[in-house]
Amino acid sequence: GAVVSQHPSRVICKSGTSVKIECRSLDFQATTMFWYRQFPKKSLMLMATSNEGSKATYEQGVEKDKFLINHASLTLSTLTVTSAHPEDSSFYICSARDPLGPATNTQYFGPGTRLTVL
Amino acid sequence: QKEVEQDPGPLSVPEGAIVSLNCTYSNSAFQYFMWYRQYSRKGPELLMYTYSSGNKEDGRFTAQVDKSSKYISLFIRDSQPSDSATYLCAMSRSNDYKLSFGAGTTVTVRA
Repeated sequence: GAVVSQHPSRVICKSGTSVKIECRSLDFQATTMFWYRQFPKKSLMLMATSNEGSKATYEQGVEKDKFLINHASLTLSTLTVTSAHPEDSSFYICSARDPLGPATNTQYFGPGTRLTVL
Repeated sequence: QKEVEQDPGPLSVPEGAIVSLNCTYSNSAFQYFMWYRQYSRKGPELLMYTYSSGNKEDGRFTAQVDKSSKYISLFIRDSQPSDSATYLCAMSRSNDYKLSFGAGTTVTVRA
């Protein structure tokens, strides 16, 4: 149980384009999802918390107009990197909280999406 | 001072050895403690989840939490080359679902 998927797993795009990453909880309904960014050999950096049906809460220093988050259903959250630049190249990982599972205060992570902006 | 401290290693052990990992933290409000395993270029996988102080065992993995010392540990018995990964400790408060992560310890189990 508690499986989270992400799509795509890898994406290469040109500078200035927008990229959408999907995060789905496959076997549970996730009222809360999270988006992280991870740099090589570094720990995870929380970008934003996404609650179903409401606006995302962004961490300090994260541009909400650049990283658009939508959590339209209990099983899907999307992250759109708008007008991507090479410095946005990174490993993006989503996670979800299972409110009805045995570990309600933990998060289950997706496999990650590697974004390369040329 | 970081909220969660974890030695990044790297840690190299021979196959069959016990791997010992630990984290210290400063915020006494943390109530939930987790260990994740992350293989290269993959998302973290939940290994152990514990609430408050105590021990928890699951197969070859044992997690320990000592809230009085603000110290948590993960032990891997009979380590295998497939255990080679980065291990992240994480913790959260009871009224907040955000996780605070350690830096991660890179472990290599030599065949």
